[in-house]
Amino acid sequence: RKEVEQDPGPFNVPEGATVAFNCTYSNSASQSFFWYRQDCRKEPKLLMSVYSSGNEDGRFTAQLNRASQYISLLIRDSKLSDSATYLCVVNPRGSSNTGKLIFGQGTTLQVKP
Amino acid sequence: GAGVSQSPSNKVTEKGKDVELRCDPISGHTALYWYRQSLGQGLEFLIYFQGNSAPDKSGLPSDRFSAERTGGSVSTLTIQRTQQEDSAVYLCASSLDPATNTIYFGEGSWLTVV
Repeated sequence: RKEVEQDPGPFNVPEGATVAFNCTYSNSASQSFFWYRQDCRKEPKLLMSVYSSGNEDGRFTAQLNRASQYISLLIRDSKLSDSATYLCVVNPRGSSNTGKLIFGQGTTLQVKP
Repeated sequence: GAGVSQSPSNKVTEKGKDVELRCDPISGHTALYWYRQSLGQGLEFLIYFQGNSAPDKSGLPSDRFSAERTGGSVSTLTIQRTQQEDSAVYLCASSLDPATNTIYFGEGSWLTVV
């Protein structure tokens, strides 16, 4: 089993739609969780951290379910510019002695006019 | 520039040759990471530096791969006797504080082994 698993998609949605991505992780001791965005042939960039209580940043909402070892990202009112690959990222140990981050394979979103 | 800088941006090499990839992290960032991404695949962790030491090099795929970091700054990833399966983009990232885990990536070095 992969340490971080995502549905690769692609998700094809019309502008204005709401879309949700899910991610599961295998290490129950994981402490830190993130969503990164990667545009085609570009480097990944941090979209948002994921906190235990859930957090929102504009049209984006991230949630964490530790019991089910599950992370989600919700995008409301999709824009054409949201088209990208969304990477679920987990620090499997959460220790300040290692910054190793494990990346999921990514979920591709294509927003159509 | 203020970001993570990598060189070369593109490299085509013949099978069996050695290659060196360089990373200049963001000034003051003590943590430095190397990842590899093959076409259409996710990011594969290679090695992590804290200062000049590498507490986690568990992702290096074989003994043909090595990395070093000097002066707590520049890092070099070396691949000896390259193979076609080494073709990928090699991404370097740096972080001010591993505990916060906000890391910033360079644009990558695109390696093609022919």
